Amino acid sequence: GAGVSQSPSNKVTEKGKDVELRCDPISGHTALYWYRQSLGQGLEFLIYFQGNSAPDKSGLPSDRFSAERTGGSVSTLTIQRTQQEDSAVYLCASSFSGSGNSYEQYFGPGTRLTVT
Amino acid sequence: AQRVTQPEKLLSVFKGAPVELKCNYSYSGSPELFWYVQYSRQRLQLLLRHISRESIKGFTADLNKGETSFHLKKPFAQEEDSAMYYCALSQIKAAGNKLTFGGGTRVLVKP
Repeated sequence: GAGVSQSPSNKVTEKGKDVELRCDPISGHTALYWYRQSLGQGLEFLIYFQGNSAPDKSGLPSDRFSAERTGGSVSTLTIQRTQQEDSAVYLCASSFSGSGNSYEQYFGPGTRLTVT
Repeated sequence: AQRVTQPEKLLSVFKGAPVELKCNYSYSGSPELFWYVQYSRQRLQLLLRHISRESIKGFTADLNKGETSFHLKKPFAQEEDSAMYYCALSQIKAAGNKLTFGGGTRVLVKP
């Protein structure tokens, strides 16, 4: 079946511009996660959505980062006024549920963001 | 705060040789530990988790709470095992199971 999809696969933007990254989770998965993979910081958690609950934003590095999840499905990660240190691969993952039992997280292919 | 440490950035072994990837963690509660693998040009995927106690692709990992370790082992490495391996820890609580990753170990299996 279809896995987690992300778009675009690559994004090059100029410093100071805003970008939007999209994630389509696996159908039926109620939990959705965003991670960032960068050379300096490795793989780090950004934000987590579970159903209609308030998202866990504890991993967002600054207030320039925000995310939303519409209708409990598609999610968009927005980075405002991009900086060069935002250059990284942004990974989305989804799972059946984030509460209680731990379910396998399925990862998307990532969006490679380059800020020039 | 939780932390996962993978001391080796690169492990190079010959085909048929044993391979062990080290992972140490710090966590105040009861953790759930995972190994994720990323093959070249593929997406990150789960290899195994400590609660399953399975052997996947010949790999095993035992959680040692006394040493706070979750080392990954395979007795006979194969060329197709060449990949990036990440140890990860999950916080099991009502708010979700976000993963904390180690820095990763690149494994290169030479013919």
